[in-house]
Amino acid sequence: ETGVTQSPTHLIKTRGQQVTLRCSSQSGHNTVSWYQQALGQGPQFIFQYYREEENGRGNFPPRFSGLQFPNYSSELNVNALELDDSALYLCASSPEGGGANVLTFGAGSRLTVL
Amino acid sequence: AQSVTQLDSQVPVFEEAPVELRCNYSSSVSVYLFWYVQYPNQGLQLLLKYLSGSTLVKGINGFEAEFNKSQTSFHLRKPSVHISDTAEYFCAVSSASYDKVIFGPGTSLSVIP
Repeated sequence: ETGVTQSPTHLIKTRGQQVTLRCSSQSGHNTVSWYQQALGQGPQFIFQYYREEENGRGNFPPRFSGLQFPNYSSELNVNALELDDSALYLCASSPEGGGANVLTFGAGSRLTVL
Repeated sequence: AQSVTQLDSQVPVFEEAPVELRCNYSSSVSVYLFWYVQYPNQGLQLLLKYLSGSTLVKGINGFEAEFNKSQTSFHLRKPSVHISDTAEYFCAVSSASYDKVIFGPGTSLSVIP
């Protein structure tokens, strides 16, 4: 079975720009969660998507938004980038029911904002 | 609200020695508990999980953890560490009723030859 894949692996943006990060979930998983991991810290929950709808959100401003597609892949969009948005962004998928909060992580997309 | 505390930010240990990484959680509802490992420049990998049943949970790479409800703890142990165990370890909690998984700040394990 294929795992969770994320793209791009690394990218550099400047303040004020917009970025889109992509995630393909593991086969058989229909729930996708996004996390932000700043350097030296634990992952912070951004939001989760289930059946193409946002299903829970952490303490992140509205300029962080997402989408889930019918094939369960997902995008994370961040507008008006700030220096503090520099982090590793992790996507995780999970199966429906009975293990909905057991996550399989991708390797992440490392965003640097200059 | 749920939260996770990892009492040690860094743990150095000699190769083949035992190690314990401490984790305490707070939650007003029943919980699922997890330990994840992160190697440099990689994503997180699940080591073990407690969902229900036996409070002693065995995971991959020889790790185990014990769920202690009265002490709200879920400490991770390994009887003999290897150089390859050098990594960042994250304890995490999730409500049995909700999907959001909350991570602790992490413990950096350094195995010394």
